[in-house]
Amino acid sequence: AQSVAQPEDQVNVAEGNPLTVKCTYSVSGNPYLFWYVQYPNRGLQFLLKYITGDNLVKGSYGFEAEFNKSQTSFHLKKPSALVSDSALYFCAVRDFLNNAGNMLTFGGGTRLMVKP
Amino acid sequence: GAGVSQSPSNKVTEKGKDVELRCDPISGHTALYWYRQSLGQGLEFLIYFQGNSAPDKSGLPSDRFSAERTGGSVSTLTIQRTQQEDSAVYLCASSMGLAVDTQYFGPGTRLTVL
Repeated sequence: AQSVAQPEDQVNVAEGNPLTVKCTYSVSGNPYLFWYVQYPNRGLQFLLKYITGDNLVKGSYGFEAEFNKSQTSFHLKKPSALVSDSALYFCAVRDFLNNAGNMLTFGGGTRLMVKP
Repeated sequence: GAGVSQSPSNKVTEKGKDVELRCDPISGHTALYWYRQSLGQGLEFLIYFQGNSAPDKSGLPSDRFSAERTGGSVSTLTIQRTQQEDSAVYLCASSMGLAVDTQYFGPGTRLTVL
């Protein structure tokens, strides 16, 4: 079975400050990890993914995430937040070895609020 | 290029009626997924199509839900005898089909069952 936890329902940060949105996962095999962002009344937009290789993954809009196998985490980060980053963020996992269907399991989502 | 499209964007129906939701995936994508996003359940997988293989229906919540994919492209999700708990946003995604491939999502269909 695969699962994802996003421990914070909401993260508040001031514009220009660094932001972190936390994600931890559980899989029985090797994880493929994804971050998506959802703006109001829109579908999910892909930000970045970890498949293999360098633990630090860079994605769209200046976001990055670090894969930490020992802590089973994949936290999303950005050095300097923008008001326009305010949205709902979802972490998702796919178990490479034990998921023939390739479906994603999503965390509950974290609402990011960036204040001017 | 064109992304995943879904129609209608909004659907309001009465309890007990049948509804059909449509998804048009990215051209060339062999895999197609349906997910449901609701307040109480978050984002949950419903059904998965890969090429000509039998679909993975393991996420469908009841036998009132069904889906088909014609010609390996457009997919229709059908909900029969809708219930109020079916109210949610139904999201479609497509990908190239490999485990490493990114799933790209459509804008969703917001279903409201009165």
